[in-house]
Amino acid sequence: SAVISQKPSRDICQRGTSLTIQCQVDSQVTMMFWYRQQPGQSLTLIATANQGSEATYESGFVIDKFPISRPNLTFSTLTVSNMSPEDSSIYLCSVGGTGNGNTIYFGEGSWLTVV
Amino acid sequence: QKEVEQNSGPLSVPEGAIASLNCTYSDRGSQSFFWYRQYSGKSPELIMFIYSNGDKEDGRFTAQLNKASQYVSLLIRDSQPSDSATYLCAVNQGGSYIPTFGRGTSLIVHP
Repeated sequence: SAVISQKPSRDICQRGTSLTIQCQVDSQVTMMFWYRQQPGQSLTLIATANQGSEATYESGFVIDKFPISRPNLTFSTLTVSNMSPEDSSIYLCSVGGTGNGNTIYFGEGSWLTVV
Repeated sequence: QKEVEQNSGPLSVPEGAIASLNCTYSDRGSQSFFWYRQYSGKSPELIMFIYSNGDKEDGRFTAQLNKASQYVSLLIRDSQPSDSATYLCAVNQGGSYIPTFGRGTSLIVHP
């Protein structure tokens, strides 16, 4: 499977600020996704990052709050804008379409705490 | 609304026992089924996937799929304290790369 690197791995952010998370994959991948995992909860898909075009957002997530870039097949960024304590979460970059059919794999995650 | 249900646990088993983790899903058209393990403070890692009815074994892990009853299970034989983690079930329809995740079952293996 692809090696997926995320940074920052952890951060404490001030309310009202924005933070950009970077995701780098060691090989070209077709599908990249961004998930959120709030404390004690399961994984919720934020959006599919599309190379060269606007991301496809899931219900409840909007581009103004979570702008996503995907300039090429190995890199994507997720920005969490105007953060509030409710945005404290793990943000996970994932890739699909590699290895075994429909399997997706996750990066190490970015742990954000908003104070 | 596609749903994937898991008992949140915790499921506590003694070392050396068999741990049985269950997952049910609502979308009868689902074709791919995955089990992920997530240690505290870490991201999910894939343990197994299964596509066909029946059992699939990989070392101490066995995935069981019953499409008629819409459930998938994970058995962990000879459980070890290092198996203590949250186990996430994920289900997606054929042709889709986007699975729906359950909330996970917390497993505790005590010495």
